[in-house]
Amino acid sequence: ETGVTQTPRHLVMGMTNKKSLKCEQHLGHNAMYWYKQSAKKPLELMFVYSLEERVENNSVPSRFSPECPNSSHLFLHLHTLQPEDSALYLCASSTRQGLDGYTFGSGTRLTVV
Amino acid sequence: AQKVTQAQTEISVVEKEDVTLDCVYETRDTTYYLFWYKQPPSGELVFLIRRNSFDEQNEISGRYSWNFQKSTSSFNFTITASQVVDSAVYFCALSEAQVAAGNKLTFGGGTRVLVKP
Repeated sequence: ETGVTQTPRHLVMGMTNKKSLKCEQHLGHNAMYWYKQSAKKPLELMFVYSLEERVENNSVPSRFSPECPNSSHLFLHLHTLQPEDSALYLCASSTRQGLDGYTFGSGTRLTVV
Repeated sequence: AQKVTQAQTEISVVEKEDVTLDCVYETRDTTYYLFWYKQPPSGELVFLIRRNSFDEQNEISGRYSWNFQKSTSSFNFTITASQVVDSAVYFCALSEAQVAAGNKLTFGGGTRVLVKP
């Protein structure tokens, strides 16, 4: 596989559920990102990992918990979400300085009921 | 703080018409990078172009062209002879150049382009 792969593509979860989003890249990149795309807001950066260390946490509520076990994988653990957390969650990867742009996955469409 | 503004939320054109997407940015950095991405209905953002702040040459790639005007802090994107497959949301983005680790793109709100046959 090449590129950035996100699973699942669609997820419906209740407010008391715990679920995880997965992102995998096979591009040899060493920086990975989570973005949130809501219907009425610009793309919002959530987390940045570089060389498997979190370098940015953009004031994201603690009900979102990222994990980067290695440079190829990134997870977003979800628990006790709110309906307003329903959005498209996009993962991206880049070289460490990102100067060639990001490569994005197709996203996970999350609906919280 | 960095900011990217795409004033046009939606543009509708008929096939073969040209369409220009506006992008205005704000940054205190003297060196920075500008990007355009395309988001088709499938969801993933597709990288189109990167331009650095010290290269103001305009660029053409097939039916796509970009006009970078540092004096007005604008980086506009034109699709010539639009096609139905160009229908998508287009995002302009800005990043700082000096980063220690990882990089953060600041995105504009996006412009939805609808090309009708």
